[in-house]
Amino acid sequence: RKEVEQDPGPFNVPEGATVAFNCTYSNSASQSFFWYRQDCRKEPKLLMSVYSSGNEDGRFTAQLNRASQYISLLIRDSKLSDSATYLCVVNPPGAGSYQLTFGKGTKLSVIP
Amino acid sequence: DTAVSQTPKYLVTQMGNDKSIKCEQNLGHDTMYWYKQDSKKFLKIMFSYNNKELIINETVPNRFSPKSPDKAHLNLHINSLELGDSAVYFCASRLTAWGETQYFGPGTRLLVL
Repeated sequence: RKEVEQDPGPFNVPEGATVAFNCTYSNSASQSFFWYRQDCRKEPKLLMSVYSSGNEDGRFTAQLNRASQYISLLIRDSKLSDSATYLCVVNPPGAGSYQLTFGKGTKLSVIP
Repeated sequence: DTAVSQTPKYLVTQMGNDKSIKCEQNLGHDTMYWYKQDSKKFLKIMFSYNNKELIINETVPNRFSPKSPDKAHLNLHINSLELGDSAVYFCASRLTAWGETQYFGPGTRLLVL
């Protein structure tokens, strides 16, 4: 299994739709999890951290399932401005915790 | 008040040349990184420094040499540039080596002709 695996998409959804992305990770001892967003020709930026109990930030909800080793991101009421690539990011344990491991990203296009 | 800045933003050069990219962060972070993002958009770590000490050195050609004069700066020097070096290079910083959020610079778009 790859360290961090995501469906590359693209996901093409109409405005107002709800869309969900999943991500799986290979190291069961990983401690920290994040979703980053990368707009076209821009740098990645933190969207939200993912906590064990799940967390919500406005229209965005992140969930962590440690037993199945997957992370999800739910976007409700999609806006045109949500169009971007969403990167699943995992912080492995031990010496590997020096670096974040990035997935290849899931591309979202929100269509008018 | 830019948090992580890189120069230059664009770099177009010929094969065989040597070039440098500079990165500075004003966040007071201890740890800085260099990433390469290729045409397939995969973000791959190259190097990391923690308090000027090299802590991550991934398998990259030794034509790439990082240098950290102080913990706020991490530069990347590339010798004998090749076509395959064309990519976007991102600098990033993090509060500590085990910290959470990583902040990225705007990227340097390198095109080798």
